[in-house]
Amino acid sequence: AQTIHQWPVAEIKAVGSPLSLGCTIKGKSSPNLYWYWQATGGTLQQLFYSITVGQVESVVQLNLSASRPKDDQFILSTEKLLLSHSGFYLCAWTGTYNNQAPLFGEGTRLSVL
Amino acid sequence: QQNVQQSPESLIVPEGARTSLNCTFSDSASQYFWWYRQHSGKAPKALMSIFSNGEKEEGRFTIHLNKASLHFSLHIRDSQPSDSALYLCAVSTYAQGLTFGLGTRVSVFP
Repeated sequence: AQTIHQWPVAEIKAVGSPLSLGCTIKGKSSPNLYWYWQATGGTLQQLFYSITVGQVESVVQLNLSASRPKDDQFILSTEKLLLSHSGFYLCAWTGTYNNQAPLFGEGTRLSVL
Repeated sequence: QQNVQQSPESLIVPEGARTSLNCTFSDSASQYFWWYRQHSGKAPKALMSIFSNGEKEEGRFTIHLNKASLHFSLHIRDSQPSDSALYLCAVSTYAQGLTFGLGTRVSVFP
């Protein structure tokens, strides 16, 4: 069975500090991978997606960047955090067929102070 | 740019009642339509999906799609307190991922 793991579970960071969030999918080769962001009480906003290693497409940047260094890994990062980066970050994956429901990891809750 | 709207914003229903949620989308080329449920502090989980016009039923849940009207809906029969959550509709085209609505917060009281 496929599993998706996000790390860390939660972070408290200072404005201006760097950030790196990770996501690993096990049990599935060549997944499509996605990053979403959810402000408190808000909807899910897609940030990036990747359908293959080394290729990442930006949907909404929000002064963040993403990379896919391995087939099963997706990284979200920034050099300098803003207050507006606070929220819930979710990684999701789908298989080859577009009619499969994107499945989410458990998320990382980020507080920027 | 896909625009997905949900209504109502929130809903309070008594246990045992029928709950109806609506979703409209703007891109007529949209192919896949989903409902997700998100309990407080948790990740959203896929509830149901539909890919062609019509109706689909799974247990207490029914989903309707009318592509010509750019509209789909979710109906919950015999609502339970455990159904209380944020319901998110989502639309996708190809592999680019989902565009979500703002959500409908449902509260079912005993």
